[in-house]
Amino acid sequence: QQQVKQSPQSLIVQKGGISIINCAYENTAFDYFPWYQQFPGKGPALLIAIRPDVSEKKEGRFTISFNKSAKQFSLHIMDSQPGDSATYFCAASKGYTGTASKLTFGTGTRLQVTL
Amino acid sequence: NAGVTQTPKFQVLKTGQSMTLQCAQDMNHNSMYWYRQDPGMGLRLIYYSASEGTTDKGEVPNGYNVSRLNKREFSLRLESAAPSQTSVYFCASSAHPGDSPTNFYEQYFGPGTRLTVT
Repeated sequence: QQQVKQSPQSLIVQKGGISIINCAYENTAFDYFPWYQQFPGKGPALLIAIRPDVSEKKEGRFTISFNKSAKQFSLHIMDSQPGDSATYFCAASKGYTGTASKLTFGTGTRLQVTL
Repeated sequence: NAGVTQTPKFQVLKTGQSMTLQCAQDMNHNSMYWYRQDPGMGLRLIYYSASEGTTDKGEVPNGYNVSRLNKREFSLRLESAAPSQTSVYFCASSAHPGDSPTNFYEQYFGPGTRLTVT
């Protein structure tokens, strides 16, 4: 049972365009929603994260939009660059259990930014 | 400051062989995690350790065992490898709320171990 559904599987965007990746979750107990970026041969790295008490968070060219009622959140990459070509994972956490934060990941989106 | 390190980077096993994947972090984090990454399935949690001396099962623990050797090190053992365990394995760590009140949710990942079981 997949608790976090991510789409699309792959995405091709021209340089300067907007990349949009969507995620939907089922468990209303989730209270932390990060996006991770992974380059080939590397481990994932945190890109940006949001809590459900805000509807949007922006860091540079990266924005998370969060819709609590629809149980959806999305990543927008403005002015996409070839260096943004990577796999992006959304994730969700039910908060801190004891001293550990367990993440449930989406299936990933492979983004390619063309010249 | 190396962050999270994993050894080996690559490994090929025959069905039934055993091996241990090693992970170490130098960020003084309390919590450590083992994930596997398979095409089209994202990352799935195998085991985690909330603190030194404790371990708990994640989403896909069958066929694996773990040991939290000390605060720095968390190993993953395959006792009898199967082709279904062919995957890329990632170790991660995170801080305790008392150590990092603002970003204790963030997990830091190692570079991964690519394992093939034939």
